[in-house]
Amino acid sequence: AQKITQTQPGMFVQEKEAVTLDCTYDTSDPSYGLFWYKQPSSGEMIFLIYQGSYDQQNATEGRYSLNFQKARKSANLVISASQLGDSAMYFCAMREGGGYQKVTFGTGTKLQVIP
Amino acid sequence: GAGVSQTPSNKVTEKGKYVELRCDPISGHTALYWYRQSLGQGPEFLIYFQGTGAADDSGLPNDRFFAVRPEGSVSTLKIQRTERGDSAVYLCASSPRGGGRDTEAFFGQGTRLTVV
Repeated sequence: AQKITQTQPGMFVQEKEAVTLDCTYDTSDPSYGLFWYKQPSSGEMIFLIYQGSYDQQNATEGRYSLNFQKARKSANLVISASQLGDSAMYFCAMREGGGYQKVTFGTGTKLQVIP
Repeated sequence: GAGVSQTPSNKVTEKGKYVELRCDPISGHTALYWYRQSLGQGPEFLIYFQGTGAADDSGLPNDRFFAVRPEGSVSTLKIQRTERGDSAVYLCASSPRGGGRDTEAFFGQGTRLTVV
């Protein structure tokens, strides 16, 4: 079974609008962390946001927020006020357990922001 | 430099040859990871170092792949008898320590390996 599922291969959003990128995960470990990374065409993976399984509140980092629904095993990324520079691949990832960051990545969503 | 540095940025090699890919992590980062990213896929974990030792090499696909980090800083991923299926982008990442909240991994820009 896939540990991280991203069902949207590609998404379009109008500049200045908000967009939600979906991510569901599968784990039986009560302790885990969820990450979102951005990968522009240059290839570098850029960390965006982190949510721990025991965190009571949804994580936010500037224009990024993580809609964490634990019972549904969902960790969607919300980008508000999209900018042209947001066009990139976005990967959801999960670390199981409290240890080191061996993370499992999803297949990614390609976001294109339209002027 | 300030970030994770990987060299070379591109490598083309013939099938059957040996290659080495280098990763220079952020100074002071004890944890180092290698990932492989095939076209259209997310990165796939290969190996994790904590200091000089490989704490988890469960992602290495077979015994043609080997990685070292002799002084706890620079790491080299070594691939013997390369095959066309090894063609991918090899990503290196480092983090200040292994676990916990603030252990986001900082990635390099990768080495694109092409086996012809």
